[in-house]
Amino acid sequence: AQSVTQLGSHVSVSEGALVLLRCNYSSSVPPYLFWYVQYPNQGLQLLLKYTSAATLVKGINGFEAEFKKSETSFHLTKPSAHMSDAAEYFCAVSEVTGGGNKLTFGTGTQLKVEL
Amino acid sequence: DTAVSQTPKYLVTQMGNDKSIKCEQNLGHDTMYWYKQDSKKFLKIMFSYNNKELIINETVPNRFSPKSPDKAHLNLHINSLELGDSAVYFCASSPGTQETQYFGPGTRLLVL
Repeated sequence: AQSVTQLGSHVSVSEGALVLLRCNYSSSVPPYLFWYVQYPNQGLQLLLKYTSAATLVKGINGFEAEFKKSETSFHLTKPSAHMSDAAEYFCAVSEVTGGGNKLTFGTGTQLKVEL
Repeated sequence: DTAVSQTPKYLVTQMGNDKSIKCEQNLGHDTMYWYKQDSKKFLKIMFSYNNKELIINETVPNRFSPKSPDKAHLNLHINSLELGDSAVYFCASSPGTQETQYFGPGTRLLVL
């Protein structure tokens, strides 16, 4: 079974600083990988996804992630944090099973942005 | 014009009751899902339907019964509610079985 590990359940950065949220995956086949963001009391919104095309994936709100097969990683970055980036971020891997497709999520990283 | 909608948004009920959560998507997608997010924010898939047919059924107690009357709707009925059922339940949909999933706003269930 595929799995995802997110290192750091809480990350705190200053406004304007680099954001780096870590995600490592385990998969026996080339994975589809996703980053979702969840704002307080809201649903999940797709930030970006990797589907075996370009290894550097650009998403919404200035976020990007790089797929590194050798490191089995898919870390999320943003050059300059904004207060509005404060949210819970989830990395997920897509697994095809029995004709269906399910997302297996990491445990999430709470991003705090301070002035 | 919400893409994936759920009702109700909040649900507070007593242990032992039966309740239903409804989900509708207007994206024309073929596949719909139910996920459960626990108090530690861990998300886990429960069910998936493709064209009204059940294709994923994780190890969920049989007190939980999904129903898909048509491609645009996937409802979740829960019998004999237990304290441990308290969670946020998210509905999602995707164009096909291997496409990006789009999530609804969630239903916050509290069992007292």
